[in-house]
Amino acid sequence: EAQVTQNPRYLITVTGKKLTVTCSQNMNHEYMSWYRQDPGLGLRQIYYSMNVEVTDKGDVPEGYKVSRKEKRNFPLILESPSPNQTSLYFCASSLSIRGARGYEQYFGPGTRLTVT
Amino acid sequence: KNEVEQSPQNLTAQEGEFITINCSYSVGISALHWLQQHPGGGIVSLFMLSSGKKKHGRLIATINIQEKHSSLHITASHPRDSAVYICAVKETSGSRLTFGEGTQLTVNP
Repeated sequence: EAQVTQNPRYLITVTGKKLTVTCSQNMNHEYMSWYRQDPGLGLRQIYYSMNVEVTDKGDVPEGYKVSRKEKRNFPLILESPSPNQTSLYFCASSLSIRGARGYEQYFGPGTRLTVT
Repeated sequence: KNEVEQSPQNLTAQEGEFITINCSYSVGISALHWLQQHPGGGIVSLFMLSSGKKKHGRLIATINIQEKHSSLHITASHPRDSAVYICAVKETSGSRLTFGEGTQLTVNP
């Protein structure tokens, strides 16, 4: 089954304790992205990756890191989480993002993170 | 002003009603997406449009590139259509999606 998986689905942690949220897709997609969703602000892009070893900042990259060592995986790293990073996080992938046409986006189930 | 504006923000309807959700954007785009976010939080892609109109079951999406406007219509609405509907655009230049804030739809039986 074609899917994007994220782990963990729920996480409560404390300020400053490094954490990683994993994202994996089984569709051989080139493009992967991380978003956070906050009430009243909608989905905002954190980082995206056009392909292996190619990553770039989105709208709200501060406090986050990513890596794309393999095509299928795109982990989101919070080196020193703070309470303002409490949010609902989504990973998404698509075949590509290049060119004039668009490509269908596939979203993971979301990770609800609480930083106390 | 957001690059992508949706209206209304909230919409309550009775079962069977025809529903329209609007999306306006201010940049040149190559594609527009309509997404549905279920009450449990999961997001699924409904449509991707670059021109014209698409139909899937009771859902219809239209786009007018010249007017920078898209609409999502739901015919014969049902309580299971209750969800947040999100519009997103891919700019002509660039590699990112920009999202509207979403429209919360509630369909009462």
